[in-house]
Amino acid sequence: RKEVEQDPGPFNVPEGATVAFNCTYSNSASQSFFWYRQDCRKEPKLLMSVYSSGNEDGRFTAQLNRASQYISLLIRDSKLSDSATYLCGGVTDSWGKFQFGAGTQVVVTP
Amino acid sequence: DAGVTQSPTHLIKTRGQHVTLRCSPISGHKSVSWYQQVLGQGPQFIFQYYEKEERGRGNFPDRFSARQFPNYSSELNVNALLLGDSALYLCASSLEAAYGYTFGSGTRLTVV
Repeated sequence: RKEVEQDPGPFNVPEGATVAFNCTYSNSASQSFFWYRQDCRKEPKLLMSVYSSGNEDGRFTAQLNRASQYISLLIRDSKLSDSATYLCGGVTDSWGKFQFGAGTQVVVTP
Repeated sequence: DAGVTQSPTHLIKTRGQHVTLRCSPISGHKSVSWYQQVLGQGPQFIFQYYEKEERGRGNFPDRFSARQFPNYSSELNVNALLLGDSALYLCASSLEAAYGYTFGSGTRLTVV
């Protein structure tokens, strides 16, 4: 089983709608989770950190559920420019080993 | 401030050859990790180095090796290249893992 798993999608979202997707992790000792955005053939770029208390950055909200071992990302008022692959990643050992899920593709349509 | 820089940006090699990819982390970042990303998949962890020591290794064959230099730059070496090694190789650096990693723009390796 992979340490970090995501639904690959694609999630087809009308412009202006809300979309949410999850990422699960298998190691309960994992910590320090993040969401990254990756555009086609580009490097991943840090979108936001994920805290147990949840955190919000504009239209983006991230949440961590340690009991069920998943993290989530919600995008409100989707823009065409939100179309991308969203990668979740987490530190999976005490040395800081950072692993990613396969990514969730989001396609925002006019 | 310079971000994470990788060289070369693109590379074409023949099966059986050797390749060396280079990475310079953000100034002050002592942790460097290498990832392989095949089209349509997430980045796969290859190596992590911290203070010139290997701290983690992913599920890759011994043909893959790496090292970190005193200035914290790093090299990834791949011997006996296979067609399946064709991928985007990403380097990422971090001040501390809890702050997340910053990626370079990658080296796109094509093995023919």
